[in-house]
Parts: sequence; structure tokens; C-alpha cells
Amino acid sequence: EDKVVQSPLSLVVHEGDTVTLNCSYEVTNFRSLLWYKQEKKAPTFLFMLTSSGIEKKSGRLSSILDKKELFSILNITATQTGDSAIYLCAVMGWGKFQFGAGTQVVVTP
Amino acid sequence: GAGVSQSPRYKVAKRGQDVALRCDPISGHVSLFWYQQALGQGPEFLTYFQNEAQLDKSGLPSDRFFAERPEGSVSTLKIQRTQQEDSAVYLCASSLGQVNQPQHFGDGTRLSIL
Repeated sequence: EDKVVQSPLSLVVHEGDTVTLNCSYEVTNFRSLLWYKQEKKAPTFLFMLTSSGIEKKSGRLSSILDKKELFSILNITATQTGDSAIYLCAVMGWGKFQFGAGTQVVVTP
Repeated sequence: GAGVSQSPRYKVAKRGQDVALRCDPISGHVSLFWYQQALGQGPEFLTYFQNEAQLDKSGLPSDRFFAERPEGSVSTLKIQRTQQEDSAVYLCASSLGQVNQPQHFGDGTRLSIL
């Protein structure tokens, strides 16, 4: 059975800290892995990863995929209170996206 | 439109009533997805359309759930004889091409069954 597991489930950090979020997967016919940020409403797209070892960056956020070990990490450096959200990982396998349960990040001032 | 639009934002219904949730995807987006998100969980796939064709409905939890997209744009998710366990946020997402592209989500409909 396909599964996507995110860790940790939640964490609390101080502004300025760096956080690393993990997404492990077992999916038939892997095609891509996506990261989303969900605040109170719609998940918003962050990154799409299809190849191992190629880091994607957007400002203070970056992500990388390891297709051999079947995981991805999302890094947030110099965190700000606006980074507080649930971060979702979704993996595209055979025909549809499967989401993990998410990691809730709380950044305190 | 500029983004995916869902209505209503909130829906309260009594157990046993039928409800209809609407999704208006981004103009020109071929693919449309429905998800169910329970509190503290990630979105769970319900069904997928490519234009007007429903290509995958394997995530619909029972035959009380029905989705359609008759003209390949607006979609409606209908739940018949609602039960308390149907209470959740229902998210709609669309993407430009076929399945393996980033999905753009609406704000969801929060359904509460009393």
C-alpha cells in the first residue's frame, strides 16, 4: 500500500532558527513529490521535485529529493513568524497524489 | 478567474440531508481534483476529472458521494444522506494539464453535520 509519512508531526522554534522537515514515501510508480504550505485556508504550492539531488530554492526555503532512499527534506532558514503553518508533502504515484499528514510548524517571536 | 473558487465556504446540515459543494477551477485548467481533509490530517484524495471525464473515483468513501463536471469546467460534489463522519473540509484543486503538475487549491468548504 502506498504511504507518505512526514516527520516531525509538529515543532516549535524561535524566530531566526532553521527547521528541517522530512517526507518519506513508498509509492508505486513514483512520478513527483510536491511541498505545500497550508495556513488557515488553501494549501499553496512551494516546490515540485522529480529528480534526485537537485536542490530547489525559493528565498529562505529549499528542498531536495533522494529517490534512492525515498525521502525529501524541506529546509527553512532564518525562520519568521509568518512561516508558521502546516507543511504538506504530496507524492504522485500511479494516477493520483497522496498527501502526508503534514508537519505543523510554530515560529515564536 | 484568478484562482480556484469554492462555495459555500461553510455549510451546516442535519444528518440525513443532502448537500452540494461547488468548485470553479482556474480558467483553462484541464484537471480537477476533490479532496477531503479532516482536522489535523492531510488532504485525502476523493476523485479526479480530466475535462468532463471522471478518470478516478477510487477515493469516494461510499456511494453516497457523487461528483460531476458536465462541461469540463465547474464541478459539483454531492453528498447524499449525510452522516456525522462526513464533517470535514472539502478541498478542490485544479491543474493546467494532466495529472503530474502542481495543483492549485481553493479555500475549501467546511462541512459540519449535526
